Amino acid sequence: NAGVTQTPKFQVLKTGQSMTLQCAQDMNHNSMYWYRQDPGMGLRLIYYSASEGTTDKGEVPNGYNVSRLNKREFSLRLESAAPSQTSVYFCASREGAPTDTQYFGPGTRLTVL
Amino acid sequence: QKEVEQNSGPLSVPEGAIASLNCTYSDRVSQSFFWYRQYSGKSPELIMSIYSNGDKEDGRFTAQLNKASQYVSLLIRDSQPSDSATYLCAVNRGTGGFKTIFGAGTRLFVKA
Repeated sequence: NAGVTQTPKFQVLKTGQSMTLQCAQDMNHNSMYWYRQDPGMGLRLIYYSASEGTTDKGEVPNGYNVSRLNKREFSLRLESAAPSQTSVYFCASREGAPTDTQYFGPGTRLTVL
Repeated sequence: QKEVEQNSGPLSVPEGAIASLNCTYSDRVSQSFFWYRQYSGKSPELIMSIYSNGDKEDGRFTAQLNKASQYVSLLIRDSQPSDSATYLCAVNRGTGGFKTIFGAGTRLFVKA
């Protein structure tokens, strides 16, 4: 039981390059999330998927797209990376009621030069 | 105004003391409230959740919620050096409560 897995763990991109961050969970959770974390900023919600087949914007969606491929997988795509997207990206899946606990992946550290 | 606000700290307390962490939120329809702990370089992990007004205790941790004042707090009794971490307050809001907003976190240092 791996929980939430993310790939890659580290990535360096040049400005304008594209890439997809992968996330998968094996806990049969309906809801999944993508966050970014910058120093002193806490976690900021990029996109979330309340259930398979639905996605919604969070606080900072600009420059990102997401795909809920199936119940297990939720990917985040940067179409044209910018230095402002340098951050640590966390994926999370959420247990249903009553706990609503979110379980986080190990994170992807992305640097855009 | 941020939706979820926390004092960034650092908050420094001696070992064995009570650490008090505070959080305010702006959206009155917020439904559920969480405290996550994050060690440096690691992922956040849930330590407490609270859904109704009042206190909720779990071991050395007590969460307090006051919806009228839009205020959530976390008390850590008998603080240990291993409690040194960043504590993130989170709020579920929006349709179905699926939209989760985090505060910026409070850094806690417990001095041995």
